[in-house]
Amino acid sequence: QKEVEQNSGPLSVPEGAIASLNCTYSDRVSQSFFWYRQYSGKSPELIMSIYSNGDKEDGRFTAQLNKASQYVSLLIRDSQPSDSATYLCAVNRGGSNYKLTFGKGTLLTVNP
Amino acid sequence: DAGITQSPRHKVTETGTPVTLRCHQTENHRYMYWYRQDPGHGLRLIHYSYGVKDTDKGEVSDGYSVSRSKTEDFLLTLESATSSQTSVYFCAISPSGLSYEQYFGPGTRLTVT
Repeated sequence: QKEVEQNSGPLSVPEGAIASLNCTYSDRVSQSFFWYRQYSGKSPELIMSIYSNGDKEDGRFTAQLNKASQYVSLLIRDSQPSDSATYLCAVNRGGSNYKLTFGKGTLLTVNP
Repeated sequence: DAGITQSPRHKVTETGTPVTLRCHQTENHRYMYWYRQDPGHGLRLIHYSYGVKDTDKGEVSDGYSVSRSKTEDFLLTLESATSSQTSVYFCAISPSGLSYEQYFGPGTRLTVT
């Protein structure tokens, strides 16, 4: 069973702080990694994709990938109350496999 | 907005009745997916499609069937609904290519009484 693990939270951070969300995966051949944001009662929204080791930055978001450690993280700088949501990590094996395996998500609360 | 709609958005049905959920996309994407999301379980893949009439099972396919007779429509059918199928159902698409990104529809909340 290929798994994606995330801390369920809740992770609580003050407004303006850095929120750090972590994800580990068990399938060593995983090639593509995604972070989704899901507000309560809404559908998941893709916010970051990362395919290579290292960091990828997009605005206040930075995704970090370490394939040797089977670890991917999402940093949110200058956290805002509007960032309060559940963040889902998803992993793909690549090749002809177009399926994603999702973690159960981490609930982030940003306190004003 | 990935041009995905789901219908109905909400449905209450009784145990034992058949239910069909529809996912419609406007962009001619090849890959389409049905997920269910439940507290404590996260998103779980039910079935997916990689083309017209080409479908395959996901991890929780028992009790569900799918059909895709047109590129734009992917139907999920519960042949005889059970209370354990009460859930939020999401459709997703993946644009052709090697990015493997998926984009989700707005979801259908199904309650089986």
